[in-house]
Amino acid sequence: GAGVSQTPSNKVTEKGKYVELRCDPISGHTALYWYRQSLGQGPEFLIYFQGTGAADDSGLPNDRFFAVRPEGSVSTLKIQRTERGDSAVYLCASSSNPYGDTQYFGPGTRLTVL
Amino acid sequence: KNQVEQSPQSLIILEGKNCTLQCNYTVSPFSNLRWYKQDTGRGPVSLTIMTFSENTKSNGRYTATLDADTKQSSLHITASQLSDSASYICVVSGPTGANNLFFGTGTRLTVIP
Repeated sequence: GAGVSQTPSNKVTEKGKYVELRCDPISGHTALYWYRQSLGQGPEFLIYFQGTGAADDSGLPNDRFFAVRPEGSVSTLKIQRTERGDSAVYLCASSSNPYGDTQYFGPGTRLTVL
Repeated sequence: KNQVEQSPQSLIILEGKNCTLQCNYTVSPFSNLRWYKQDTGRGPVSLTIMTFSENTKSNGRYTATLDADTKQSSLHITASQLSDSASYICVVSGPTGANNLFFGTGTRLTVIP
């Protein structure tokens, strides 16, 4: 079956603009995660959903970042008033359950804020 | 201080040679340790997963070891191939499982012909 998909693959925006990044997890996976990865670094946890609810959003850097998963499947990461420091690859992962199960990562969205 | 440290930061080896990547962690307690391979421009892909009671786990030419007493893990790659060129990331799960992951910064491996 299909893996985790993310759109767009690349997004270039201007400072101050609003962006939305989409993640389609593997069908049936209840757990969904968003990470941010800067060049040469490991992924940095942002937020985790179990079903429709955000079970842990402690990794969101500030209130400009928000994520939703209204039907427990597709998730959207929303960034308001983008800053140059937001430039990174945003990775989404899903797993069939959050307890020790392997996370399957999408290819990421490369966000560039000019 | 990062709770998962990897070394070396980068490594270049000749095709066909073996290599070993290191991961030291301070996460405690932990539930499992994973090694991921991340090709350039792609998301990480799981190679191995070990719980605290496992000492070794193999996946083809990849063999991971774990010493839970010293909190060290290694990933050994045998008979390297050009396609092994990637970043290898060590990930340690905290006690609550997959929503409590600690990522290393990765080792960038380049295999040259």
